[in-house]
Amino acid sequence: QAVLTQPSSLSASPGASASVTCTLRSGINVATYKIYWYQQKPGSPPQYLLRYKSDSDKHQGSGVPSRFSGSKDASANAGVLLISGVQSADEADYYCMIWHSNAVAFGGGTKVTVL
Amino acid sequence: EVHLVESGGGLVQSGGSLRLSCAASGFSFSDYSMSWVRQAPGKGLEWVSYISSGGGTIYYADSVKGRFTISRDNAKKSVKLQMNSLRDEDTAVYYCVREGGMDGWGQGTTVTVSS
Repeated sequence: QAVLTQPSSLSASPGASASVTCTLRSGINVATYKIYWYQQKPGSPPQYLLRYKSDSDKHQGSGVPSRFSGSKDASANAGVLLISGVQSADEADYYCMIWHSNAVAFGGGTKVTVL
Repeated sequence: EVHLVESGGGLVQSGGSLRLSCAASGFSFSDYSMSWVRQAPGKGLEWVSYISSGGGTIYYADSVKGRFTISRDNAKKSVKLQMNSLRDEDTAVYYCVREGGMDGWGQGTTVTVSS
C-alpha cells in the first residue's frame, strides 16, 4: 500500500471550490506530519504551493495566492488542499508529499480539470 | 530568486553511467539541503536522494540505493548525482530541488536509458 494516496482526477467549475485529498497509509498518523503541496502544469517543473501541519504551523509559498490553503481531516487520516474560487489557470496536476522514515513520499498526483 | 540549472542528462545504454550536475544561484546555497527528484514520462514524481546543507546527512530511495551517489560542493554552489548501473526504469526527467520542503525546482534534465 502506498504511503500517500490521492484521487487520480477531479473536476471543478470556475468560481467553485475544489478539495484535493491526500490519504496517509494506515498506521501513519496525519497529525504528526507536515504535508507539502505542489502544482505542476504540462511541460513545466512542479512549483511549491504550501506546507501544512496545523493552523499554527503552516507556510504559504512565495507568491502563492491565498485561494490555495491546506488543512487536515483527522477522521480520514488525510491532508487536504483547498482551492477556493477555482480559475482556469488552476488546471494542473497536484502532488502531496511527506517526509517519512528518512525518505520522501509523494502522492500519485491529482489532475484537476476546470470545466 | 532561487535559480537551479541541471545538466548532464542524455542517452545512455543500460548498465552505463551518467553524472548529473546542478548549479545553484540566488540564495545562500550552503544554508540549504538539496534533493533530486525524478519524473518518468507521463508519470508522477519520485524522490531520488537528499543531502543536508553540510553534506553530512544523505538519504536515498530504495530504488537507487547502491547505484546512485549524491554529493555537493558548497564553494562551487553545486550538487551532483552520480548514476551507475543505469536501468530502463531510470529513464526520467531529473529535477534538482532546494530544501527538504522542496520550495525551489530546476527545469530538469532528461535521462534516457536504452536497452
